[in-house]
Amino acid sequence: GAVVSQHPSRVICKSGTSVKIECRSLDFQATTMFWYRQFPKKSLMLMATSNEGSKATYEQGVEKDKFLINHASLTLSTLTVTSAHPEDSSFYICSAGLAGGRQIKDNNHIRGQFFGPGTRLTVL
Amino acid sequence: QKEVEQNSGPLSVPEGAIASLNCTYSDRGSQSFFWYRQYSGKSPELIMSIYSNGDKEDGRFTAQLNKASQYVSLLIRDSQPSDSATYLCAVVVTGTASKLTFGTGTRLQVTL
Repeated sequence: GAVVSQHPSRVICKSGTSVKIECRSLDFQATTMFWYRQFPKKSLMLMATSNEGSKATYEQGVEKDKFLINHASLTLSTLTVTSAHPEDSSFYICSAGLAGGRQIKDNNHIRGQFFGPGTRLTVL
Repeated sequence: QKEVEQNSGPLSVPEGAIASLNCTYSDRGSQSFFWYRQYSGKSPELIMSIYSNGDKEDGRFTAQLNKASQYVSLLIRDSQPSDSATYLCAVVVTGTASKLTFGTGTRLQVTL
């Protein structure tokens, strides 16, 4: 199946600093990248959708100036949490998708998104 | 009303039993339905996808979809302690280009 990596897997930073998280699709071209956030014992909440070469589309309530998303190539998207605060501490997960919502068969399942392993952000 | 609803659990079943997980969704335009398993501190892992009414079986897992009732379920046969995890139901609505909407998840505990 398609492989998506994230870096770093874990980061601890001081309040007020900025943190960049990278999401890479290793063996396919990801036209679309999805960024999710998950608080403890809560479900995944979509933050934004980015398409290669264009601006990201943010979900309602997500501050685009705080969570900067760059999707400059078909294999790399970055999420930068600017001026991080303790309430930004969360599990950030990216997911890579194919152009136009195209789905492919992967181990007997048809799917359109491939998840990265996640990044645990702790802001002190 | 939440778009995708699940009972948060925990659902506790003994080893070897059948675990039944349920999910309802509100958007009748939903076209694709997924079950993900998530271990604590890990990313979700796809275990089942279903698109048509009826049952779909894959090993110990069976997904059931009823679009008229807007209901999708997951059965896990011969439950094992390693199945203990949170199970997330997710749907894709037609025209949203693979955008997944997740339920809150059901925590399953398989006891020895």
